[in-house]
Amino acid sequence: SAVISQKPSRDICQRGTSLTIQCQVDSQVTMMFWYRQQPGQSLTLIATANQGSEATYESGFVIDKFPISRPNLTFSTLTVSNMSPEDSSIYLCSVSLRFTDTQYFGPGTRLTVL
Amino acid sequence: KQEVTQIPAALSVPEGENLVLNCSFTDSAIYNLQWFRQDPGKGLTSLLLIQSSQREQTSGRLNASLDKSSGRSTLYIAASQPGDSATYLCAVEASSNTGKLIFGQGTTLQVKP
Repeated sequence: SAVISQKPSRDICQRGTSLTIQCQVDSQVTMMFWYRQQPGQSLTLIATANQGSEATYESGFVIDKFPISRPNLTFSTLTVSNMSPEDSSIYLCSVSLRFTDTQYFGPGTRLTVL
Repeated sequence: KQEVTQIPAALSVPEGENLVLNCSFTDSAIYNLQWFRQDPGKGLTSLLLIQSSQREQTSGRLNASLDKSSGRSTLYIAASQPGDSATYLCAVEASSNTGKLIFGQGTTLQVKP
C-alpha cells in the first residue's frame, strides 16, 4: 500500500489568487493523478502527472489554469490559478504502485474560493 | 464515452441487514473496476478491485461481482454495521490501462443502530 499526504488540508482563498497543493507519497509509484470533486459531485480526473515532463490533461482542463509539476517519483504539485468561486472543490491526488492496479488516494485538499 | 451510474443514490438500513449496491457502465471494454469508500472529510479507501477477467472478489463482509458483458457490478455488504456508513463509489479503468478512473456518483449508505 501507499501513504499519501497532501498540503494544505484546506484553505480559503480570495478570487483571483492562486493556490499550490502538494502531494507526497511514501513509496515509489508508477503513476500519479489529480482529481477534482466539486460539491455534491463525484470525482473527475484533471490530469496525469508525468515525472520530469508536462502533465497530460483531460478534456476541459488546461495547463494555464491547473499547472502541474512532478519533479520525482514521489512528489507532485497542482496549482489552481486565478481562482474563482467555481473552483471551490476538494482536490485529491492518487497513485498507482508497481505490480498492482489498485489506486490509493490522498486525504484531499478542501478549497473554498470567496 | 464511458459513463458510470450508481443506484441508489442513498440508502438507509437497520444494523444487521444485508445490502446490495449497484454500479453500471456503458462501455464493456474495461481494464478493471474498483469499489471505494469515502468518509466525510476524508479521501478514498480502496475496498475491492476486480480485473476484467474476474467475476468477483471478496474481502471480509464485502463481495463485489462483475458482469462485464452486461456492464454491471454489485457490491454486497453482509451483516451491515453503523461503521459501514459512508459513501461508496465505483470506478472503471478503460481497457488501455492508463490508470485513469471514471467514477460513478456514489451511493451514500446510512446504517442505523
